[in-house]
Order: sequence, then structure tokens, then C-alpha cells
Amino acid sequence: DAKTTQPNSMESNEEEPVHLPCNHSTISGTDYIHWYRQLPSQGPEYVIHGLTSNVNNRMASLAIAEDRKSSTLILHRATLRDAAVYYCILKSSGSARQLTFGSGTQLTVLP
Amino acid sequence: DGGITQSPKYLFRKEGQNVTLSCEQNLNHDAMYWYRQDPGQGLRLIYYSQIVNDFQKGDIAEGYSVSREKKESFPLTVTSAQKNPTAFYLCASSMMRLGLAGSETQYFGPGTRLLVL
Repeated sequence: DAKTTQPNSMESNEEEPVHLPCNHSTISGTDYIHWYRQLPSQGPEYVIHGLTSNVNNRMASLAIAEDRKSSTLILHRATLRDAAVYYCILKSSGSARQLTFGSGTQLTVLP
Repeated sequence: DGGITQSPKYLFRKEGQNVTLSCEQNLNHDAMYWYRQDPGQGLRLIYYSQIVNDFQKGDIAEGYSVSREKKESFPLTVTSAQKNPTAFYLCASSMMRLGLAGSETQYFGPGTRLLVL
């Protein structure tokens, strides 16, 4: 599986935008970029995914570099409830369906 | 409400005992998964199943067993052979999309925390 690299931790102020980076230089052409987040003592929650184009949903936006070797998850206005570990995961379209988690980015939101 | 339920929330295991963690989904999803999470770490795959009566080992299957007799249920047994079972166990499910596995998203349950007495 292609690997991802994320910063261990980031801080943001409440109500400000947050840009969470992810590097995936060995991504293959059929790998989708997924983001999940995990609040303390809870199961992970799907946030967003994309292949080539930027994506928006009610939770966040995903900006994908033109060469696809990096991506950025954008939370437009961070709230205290967004404090979580954010995982960037590559998922291939092969037969393997499991998610391969790294250690993610711990986001702290300051009031 | 559709979703995944896991029980119990906390489970205590005695030395040499087998324990079973429950996972049920009413999302009509084909695939189900079990992950283990140790403190400060990401999730690691234990077992997964894409169809009833069939399942495959993940990265850390030793000391665990599963069954998939019904589409909605995928229980995990932590056997006495698992020497370090203390962890947070997460069950997930997904709708399979043939040819588009990369775009499948997984839904996770609330987890079971297993502790050894």
C-alpha cells in the first residue's frame, strides 16, 4: 500500500480555517484519497474522499494537488468539536477493501 | 436509525479466558471489518468479511477468531492465545462497489474497550 505522511499535531483557533496537509508521493493512479477523523474514545468517522478533483461536502473540503502527490483537508471554521485525530488514507481500487491507518494528525482547537 | 452497534462497551478478560465481542449492523452492508487500536496508535486490521460464511485474515489475526453466519453480524472472539489483548476494538462495515473499491467508505461502531484482569 502507498504510504501517507502527516504532521503529528497541529493547533488552530476556534472559528478560523484549518488546513491539514498529507503527503503521498507514491500514490498510484487508481488510489483514492480518504480522510477520517476520530474523536476521543470513539470510532473513526468518515470525512471526505476524492480521486483527482477537489471535493466539498458539509463537513470539509479536500484539495488535491495537480500531481496528486499531496492533498489538504480544509475545515472552514474550526469548532471545539473538531478536535480529533485526522487520518489521511489511500485506498486502492484493487480487491483489498480494508483501510490502512497511519498515526494521523492530532488537531487541537483553542477557544 | 441505521448504524453499527458494538457490545459491550467495556469487557474484562481473565487469564486463559475466551471472550466474544459483538458487532451488528442494520445498514445492509456486505463487508464487515474488525480493527484493533492500541493507545496513541492507528487502527490495525484483524479480520474482514465480504460475504456471509467467508472471511479473511488481516494483519494481526493471531489469537483471534470470527464468524459470519448472518449478513448483519460479525462477532470477534479474543482467545486465550492472544497474550496482549488489552486494546480498543472497532468494528466497521461498508457497501461493496464492484470495480470501485477505492471509493468505498467505512462506517465504524463506537468500539469495545477490552481490559485484562
